[in-house]
Amino acid sequence: DVVMTQTPVSLSVSLGGQTSISCRSSQSLVHSDGNTYLYWYLQKPGQSPQLLIYKVSNRFSGVPDRFSGSGSGTDFTLKISRVEPEDLGVYYCYQGTHYPNTFGAGTKLELK
Amino acid sequence: QVTLKESGPGILQPSQTLSLTCTFSGFSLSTYGMGVGWIRQPSGKGLEWLANIWWDDDKYYNPSLKNRLTISKDTSNNQAFLKITNVDTADTATYYCASIIRAYFDYWGQGVMVTVSS
Repeated sequence: DVVMTQTPVSLSVSLGGQTSISCRSSQSLVHSDGNTYLYWYLQKPGQSPQLLIYKVSNRFSGVPDRFSGSGSGTDFTLKISRVEPEDLGVYYCYQGTHYPNTFGAGTKLELK
Repeated sequence: QVTLKESGPGILQPSQTLSLTCTFSGFSLSTYGMGVGWIRQPSGKGLEWLANIWWDDDKYYNPSLKNRLTISKDTSNNQAFLKITNVDTADTATYYCASIIRAYFDYWGQGVMVTVSS
């Protein structure tokens, strides 16, 4: 199975600040069709997860441009700039390239 | 507008079969490229992918559940189903269904809590 390693486990950030989360996979996430099926989700307290970024760097509908995804192969990053209170929660990366699909363990974003 | 809603028994006993239903609107599982996935989350823990079903009835399972999973769909009624046989306390979790339309899990249901207890 592909292991998704997220770092850090938790993150403290000031409102208006910038931060990033790393997600590394144990094998390349480039699919035979040429796509890289790496996704980022945010689960706010008491809510269902919501999609932020799909296929590495594409913002989902309604997601502010403060969120950006980058990376390739096995190394991926989610950057959040101008952090707002609504950004707090747990961030998960997910790979849909290989079965079984797998999630990272999550990164909790808290206010400093 | 895409919506999904999970339903299930709430509580069941060890060794029973868990049957979950996902009722959705705003997309069709008979449309090329569409899919539905099931994901679960024990209280206070992370997300675990369970299974996906696709428009062409292709199915994929998490092998860590050792063949206890069965995913299916009813295209006419816009529903997807998940069965987990021989449950035990480790299956206690919130279970989510999510759509695969433009991307994996682009829309999620509110989740249904399932408790396995004797």
